[in-house]
Amino acid sequence: GENVEQHPSTLSVQEGDSAVIKCTYSDSASNYFPWYKQELGKRPQLIIDIRSNVGEKKDQRIAVTLNKTAKHFSLHITETQPEDSAVYFCAASKGTGRRALTFGSGTRLQVQP
Amino acid sequence: NAGVTQTPKFQVLKTGQSMTLQCAQDMNHEYMSWYRQDPGMGLRLIHYSVGAGITDQGEVPNGYNVSRSTTEDFPLRLLSAAPSQTSVYFCASSYASASKTIQMNTEAFFGQGTRLTVV
Repeated sequence: GENVEQHPSTLSVQEGDSAVIKCTYSDSASNYFPWYKQELGKRPQLIIDIRSNVGEKKDQRIAVTLNKTAKHFSLHITETQPEDSAVYFCAASKGTGRRALTFGSGTRLQVQP
Repeated sequence: NAGVTQTPKFQVLKTGQSMTLQCAQDMNHEYMSWYRQDPGMGLRLIHYSVGAGITDQGEVPNGYNVSRSTTEDFPLRLLSAAPSQTSVYFCASSYASASKTIQMNTEAFFGQGTRLTVV
């Protein structure tokens, strides 16, 4: 089955700096790659996603890039703010067979004011 | 629109007890899944369903049963609770986005979670 690895497990940045989180996946049939943000005690919520027919997607301060050949994708957060502090999860899924999301182990992002 | 509703929010069980975690969605989504979340391990898939009457195992299915008799409901049953099942459980639903050539998953909506402690 699919295996998703996520790095780093913790990331501390100064407010205003950029943060980058990287994920790799194993199943070349995966075609949907979402990123979720989870605040303490809350449910995961989608912040951005990308499909395999697109190499990059941006939404204000957040961007995601996908390299299908290398089977890795990354989350980029620019101009970080204290409210960006949370745990971020990457995930992958495909459109046939086991279609549920396979998640990475998470990155705890701490933005220092 | 309530989205995905999970009950209960908190539960304490004794070893050997059984219980059912409820999950309901009102978005007419085909896909529903159950995950458990343990510290440092992300969300691990327990069981999932691609439609009413169809279920399949995920990564960590042992000790859990599911059924999908309707599109809306996807209950998770713990048959004989063990301390190793202490975790936070999330139910999620999504739908398939089908183009002419390829089918892809879409945003998964999560319930608020159930914090289960087995003593």
